[in-house]
Amino acid sequence: DADVTQTPRNRITKTGKRIMLECSQTKGHDRMYWYRQDPGLGLRLIYYSFDVKDINKGEISDGYSVSRQAQAKFSLSLESAIPNQTALYFCATSDLGNREAQYFGPGTRLTVL
Amino acid sequence: KNQVEQSPQSLIILEGKNCTLQCNYTVSPFSNLRWYKQDTGRGPVSLTIMTFSENTKSNGRYTATLDADTKQSSLHITASQLSDSASYICVVSPNQAGTALIFGKGTTLSVSS
Repeated sequence: DADVTQTPRNRITKTGKRIMLECSQTKGHDRMYWYRQDPGLGLRLIYYSFDVKDINKGEISDGYSVSRQAQAKFSLSLESAIPNQTALYFCATSDLGNREAQYFGPGTRLTVL
Repeated sequence: KNQVEQSPQSLIILEGKNCTLQCNYTVSPFSNLRWYKQDTGRGPVSLTIMTFSENTKSNGRYTATLDADTKQSSLHITASQLSDSASYICVVSPNQAGTALIFGKGTTLSVSS
């Protein structure tokens, strides 16, 4: 089984709808991250969490919210989706600070019509 | 402003040939530099991580070099294979606790037969 899983893998929704993307990990890492990837722009950090009680905004947090339900679960919500949130979303985990590699999930392709 | 620039943006080579991808960064102070491989439609996978005191790190046919004085890194791929076709992303970690990683936009490598 994959160490970092994301659900759903693909989602098409309409403008204004509320969407939740979920991430689960079995690596036992304390740190979890949400990124979005757009063509030509590379990965950009949305939110990150260093433990269950810690939530931090990243570079592009506007329009998004997160919840860290447990060490292994970190969900990303779009309260009212808009078309420019169409992107590929990745969850990642890491341990022991910046030196450790981040382990990425398989991604969720979200399309907002 | 902390930035990571990669070149070329894309590259096409014949199977069996070698190639070198470049990464220049302005991040300071700097903790470590990573190279990731991202296959189309999948999450990035770590290839190498180097601290500022390391100047080379190998992972099979992949060899990364780092010159912390000139703030340059390269990823050399030896005897390329079709499976090397992917995007290669350079990521720099600032030497500040809790600071997010800075991603380059990636180099897209296509290996043809």
